[in-house]
This record gives sequence, structure tokens and C-alpha cells, in this order.
Amino acid sequence: LAKTTQPISMDSYEGQEVNITCSHNNIATNDYITWYQQFPSQGPRFIIQGYKTKVTNEVASLFIPADRKSSTLSLPRVSLSDTAVYYCLVGGGGADGLTFGKGTHLIIQP
Amino acid sequence: EPEVTQTPSHQVTQMGQEVILRCVPISNHLYFYWYRQILGQKVEFLVSFYNNEISEKSEIFDDQFSVERPDGSNFTLKIRSTKLEDSAMYFCASSDGTGGRTLGTDTQYFGPGTRLTVL
Repeated sequence: LAKTTQPISMDSYEGQEVNITCSHNNIATNDYITWYQQFPSQGPRFIIQGYKTKVTNEVASLFIPADRKSSTLSLPRVSLSDTAVYYCLVGGGGADGLTFGKGTHLIIQP
Repeated sequence: EPEVTQTPSHQVTQMGQEVILRCVPISNHLYFYWYRQILGQKVEFLVSFYNNEISEKSEIFDDQFSVERPDGSNFTLKIRSTKLEDSAMYFCASSDGTGGRTLGTDTQYFGPGTRLTVL
């Protein structure tokens, strides 16, 4: 599975847009990019998944450039409740377990 | 919205004892997984299960661990003789398997976890 690199932590304020970028230089042709969110003492929660260009759902947007070597999770107008750890994962499917890195600890301040 | 459930939410046991952690995956899902997260560390894959047998397992999943789907709804993780280092959050997950290994589109849905404390 492709290794991912993302910032260890980020700070922002309520109402701001937050962008978290993940690098995955060795992404394989068939790999999708998936982002999960985890609150303390809870299981990871799926946020968004994409293969290329842009994907948007009710929670976030995911931007993937043409070379797919990176991706950016965009959270619009964050609130205090968005304080969590965000994980970027590449590949994994079917029988393959997901490989979680350390994630990005996002802290939202009032 | 369907969700993965796990019981118990907390389990305290003595070292050397056997524990069984229980999970009810989402009903139409085909792949089931166990992960663990030691406090302050990464979420780690333990095992995947498909068609009533183990599909993949990590090096963490040694002979002390076993998984079972005893009926049509439950999925269990058994630790035969717990050690202090088994203390962790254990998460069950499931996916519908529509993506498959080659496509990587499966979304895994995680349960709330069981906090296991070994004394």
C-alpha cells in the first residue's frame, strides 16, 4: 500500500475553511484515496473518497490533481466539533486491511 | 442509517484470562475486520474475514487471537490468554465488498470500539 504523509497537526478557527493536504507519491493506478475522521475513544468515520479531480459531499470536498501524488481534504466553515484526527489512506479494499498513519490532529478554536 | 455495533463498550480482565469481543456488522456486508488502537498510537489492522474464513491477517494476529462468525449476524474476536500489552481499543469494521482488492473502492464502516483493559 502506498505510504502517505500529512501534517501532524493543524489549528484553525470556527467558520474558517480548512485544507489538509496528503502526499502519496507511490500511489498505484488502481488505488482510491479515502479520508477518515476519528474523535477520541471512537472508531474512525468515513468522510470522503475519490480517484481523481474533485469529489464533494455534504461534509467535505476532496481535490486530487492529475498526477494523483497528493490530495487535499477541504472542510468548509469548520466548527468546534470538527476537532478530530483526520486520516488520509490510499488503496485497501476487499480483504486488505486499511493502513492508518498518525493522521492530522485538527484543532478548531472559537 | 445502518451501523456497526460492538459489545461490551468496556472490558476489564485479568492477565491470562480469555476475552471475547463481539461485533454486529452491517447486515448486507460481506467483509469483516478487526483493528486495534493502543492508547495514543495508530489504528492497526488485525484481520479480515470473508466467506467464513480469514482472508488476511497482520503479524499482530498471532495464535492467541481467533475470529469467528458463529451465526448470521455476529462476528467475534477471541483473545485466549490476555497479556498486559493487549490493552487497547478494539474496533470492528465491515464493508460490502463491491470494490474488491483491485479497485480499492470499498468503504469500511467502523464500530464504536471496545476498550479492553488487562490488569
